[in-house]
Amino acid sequence: AQTVTQSQPEMSVQEAETVTLSCTYDTSESDYYLFWYKQPPSRQMILVIRQEAYKQQNATENRFSVNFQKAAKSFSLKISDSQLGDAAMYFCAYSLYSMYSGGGADGLTFGKGTHLIIQP
Amino acid sequence: DTEVTQTPKHLVMGMTNKKSLKCEQHMGHRAMYWYKQKAKKPPELMFVYSYEKLSINESVPSRFSPECPNSSLLNLHLHALQPEDSALYLCASSPSTGSQPQHFGDGTRLSIL
Repeated sequence: AQTVTQSQPEMSVQEAETVTLSCTYDTSESDYYLFWYKQPPSRQMILVIRQEAYKQQNATENRFSVNFQKAAKSFSLKISDSQLGDAAMYFCAYSLYSMYSGGGADGLTFGKGTHLIIQP
Repeated sequence: DTEVTQTPKHLVMGMTNKKSLKCEQHMGHRAMYWYKQKAKKPPELMFVYSYEKLSINESVPSRFSPECPNSSLLNLHLHALQPEDSALYLCASSPSTGSQPQHFGDGTRLSIL
């Protein structure tokens, strides 16, 4: 079974600064996807960024970037120029890659989350 | 605005009631998911539907009964629930299985009296 570990229950950063959230995972599979989702108090889960395991290049989305270390099974999220709207619970998630659409659907396995606080 | 719509947003029910949660998406996605999220915990997978067929049931008690009448609609029928079933129930959809990011609805906050 796959497991996802987020070792930082809470992180605090000054507005406009950079913060890195940690995530490690355990899997015996070679093809999989990794995601960061944020969940503000409004409770909707919002996709922040995704990474395909077969890609060596780290994914970036504007102020958000990841450091994907496949051998180390590490997937950290860097948020640059932190904004007040970034305050939320951040979940790291794993999904097994399904080659055959329509068969063998897989849900997401989430870490316990990191509560990110932005100090004005 | 979310592209996955869940109704109702809040539901309070007694342990003997029968109710249903509804989830709808019009993005042409063929995989749909139910998750349960307790307070200050991550979502936990309950069910996965792929092309309107149940493909994963994570050992969920039979008092939860999922249904996928068509590719756009996913229901979760509730009967004889327990107080510990109080939680946020999240629906999600994705274009196919596993390989695409899941889009989540706002959830239904369920309280069992």
